[in-house]
Formats: sequence, C-alpha cells, structure tokens
Amino acid sequence: EPEVTQTPSHQVTQMGQEVILRCVPISNHLYFYWYRQILGQKVEFLVSFYNNEISEKSEIFDDQFSVERPDGSNFTLKIRSTKLEDSAMYFCASSEKTGALYGYTFGSGTRLTVV
Amino acid sequence: KQEVTQIPAALSVPEGENLVLNCSFTDSAIYNLQWFRQDPGKGLTSLLLIQSSQREQTSGRLNASLDKSSGRSTLYIAASQPGDSATYLCAVPFSGGYNKLIFGAGTRLAVHP
Repeated sequence: EPEVTQTPSHQVTQMGQEVILRCVPISNHLYFYWYRQILGQKVEFLVSFYNNEISEKSEIFDDQFSVERPDGSNFTLKIRSTKLEDSAMYFCASSEKTGALYGYTFGSGTRLTVV
Repeated sequence: KQEVTQIPAALSVPEGENLVLNCSFTDSAIYNLQWFRQDPGKGLTSLLLIQSSQREQTSGRLNASLDKSSGRSTLYIAASQPGDSATYLCAVPFSGGYNKLIFGAGTRLAVHP
C-alpha cells in the first residue's frame, strides 16, 4: 500500500537554529499538509498546499514557518528559528483530491526536540 | 466552530471483550469522519473513513458508525486483542474549510491478556 514517508524520524536542534522536515507524499496525490502534535495534546493543523501554493494555514503557521515542494516528489516544512515550544511531533499528510471528501494518508512523523 | 470530543479518554479491558469508543462533533455539516490509530510515539494510521452519506463502515473486527444529525460516531472493536492497544483518534473536516482536519483528543486503549 502506498505510504507517506517522512525523514528524519527524530531531530534534535538547538534553539534558534533552522530545521527542515522532509516528506515524500504518495505519488499521485495533489494535496499536501502538515500537522503537529505537542506531547499530550491534540493533533493540530498547520498548513495545506495545493498547486504549488498554500491553500490554507492556521494561526500557528506564522512567518517562522514555510513550506515548499522543491521537486516533483518532496514536500518540506522549514522552521527558520526554532523555539522550545516548537518541540512536537510533526506529521505530513497527503490526499489524492480534496481531503475533506476523500480522506487523508499520514506519514509516521518527525519528532522535533528543541533544546 | 467545529469541536470534537472523544469519550472515554482511557479504557482498559481484558482480552476478548467487545468495546465501543465514542466521538462527538458540534457541527453536523461534515463531508466525512475518519478514525485513526496512533501507537505511542508513532504516526497516524487510517482505520476507517465514513462519508456523510454512509451510516457505517467495516474493516475486519472494526466497525464505525456515523449519525450526522446527532453529531456522533462510534468505533466498535470486536474481540479485542493486546495488539489493539493504542490511542484511537477521530477527526472531521473543519466547518467551511475543505482541507483542514479537526481531531479529538483520542481514547487510549489498553487490552491486557
């Protein structure tokens, strides 16, 4: 069964450093998403991406965050200057068509630890 | 504003029991509802997707029902096994937004031998 692949599985970074989280969505999917889950809290939406642009973003997704699809297969989330409160599990997801109608496939996540 | 609540927050049962996990949502104008499984420190595995026009979906020992009018869904697990131990999350698309899922806090299930 097709999978969404995320790398690395765990990343430790110092506060103030830039990090890039990488995702390879399912090949025929057109919609891409990032979610995060702070330890002990709900999974929360960050951003959706379609046709090479952001289609929706949450209030969490401020200027410190950016997303990019640098080639035909990768989808990345960049955090420019990490803060302690960015420590969380970050999930990438993709959907063939709009996820609200067809459901989402999630990756296994990247655990980001900011020290 | 869509809110999703899951009850109970935690459940511990002996192996072999049939059990029901509950999910409620405040805005019934949803396209679908999706149930996920999350193992500790791991990703989200989709279990079942129920479209708004459907009343239930089945996959193996899992059966999910949806009652849009009352804002409720249940996940029924038959003949539970220790391998079913995980957190179960339900999620619905955000009201008025096509591409944003709202998650419940989950039910943490422990099935003991």
